[in-house]
Amino acid sequence: KNEVEQSPQNLTAQEGEFITINCSYSVGISALHWLQQHPGGGIVSLFMLSSGKKKHGRLIATINIQEKHSSLHITASHPRDSAVYICAAGGTGNQFYFGTGTSLTVIP
Amino acid sequence: EPEVTQTPSHQVTQMGQEVILRCVPISNHLYFYWYRQILGQKVEFLVSFYNNEISEKSEIFDDQFSVERPDGSNFTLKIRSTKLEDSAMYFCASSEWGFTFGSGTRLTVV
Repeated sequence: KNEVEQSPQNLTAQEGEFITINCSYSVGISALHWLQQHPGGGIVSLFMLSSGKKKHGRLIATINIQEKHSSLHITASHPRDSAVYICAAGGTGNQFYFGTGTSLTVIP
Repeated sequence: EPEVTQTPSHQVTQMGQEVILRCVPISNHLYFYWYRQILGQKVEFLVSFYNNEISEKSEIFDDQFSVERPDGSNFTLKIRSTKLEDSAMYFCASSEWGFTFGSGTRLTVV
């Protein structure tokens, strides 16, 4: 049973393309996180969302609580965006459920 | 920007040995977590810790594992009698409202 489903699993894009990664979850949450995992393994938290939309540079994250769905968008993608993007659903004090990740490769 | 620090970055141990993975969470955070990621698989929750005790643990976190906060700053994960299948990347995280991960300890059991 997967509490968090991500799509696509793998994504290859040309530099400059607009990218969307989707996340659906089945658990009740107080927050949803988008994480970036670099090839070396380190994990960086990009966004924490409980409603609406957040923007940081070329990254935009949205969440629809009613539909239990979140999206991560990357505008004007760049090769340095190549990484695994992970959706994690949960809340402070509770365990988080992680998606399997979306492996993004941006080709120059 | 405050960081979660994990040491060592890489640990190689013989099967059957005990290992202690160390983490220094962000000082004003109250919730601490350990996660692991077996190579090629998704990140898995191990345990959460709040107010000096375990608040939640997964099925993976059996008697082989224990966590401690031995002083005001460190948060440790002890794995007793390591097995080959314990080889993984172990991440510590701490949170208040945000969530901050450490850079991980790669454990290799040989």
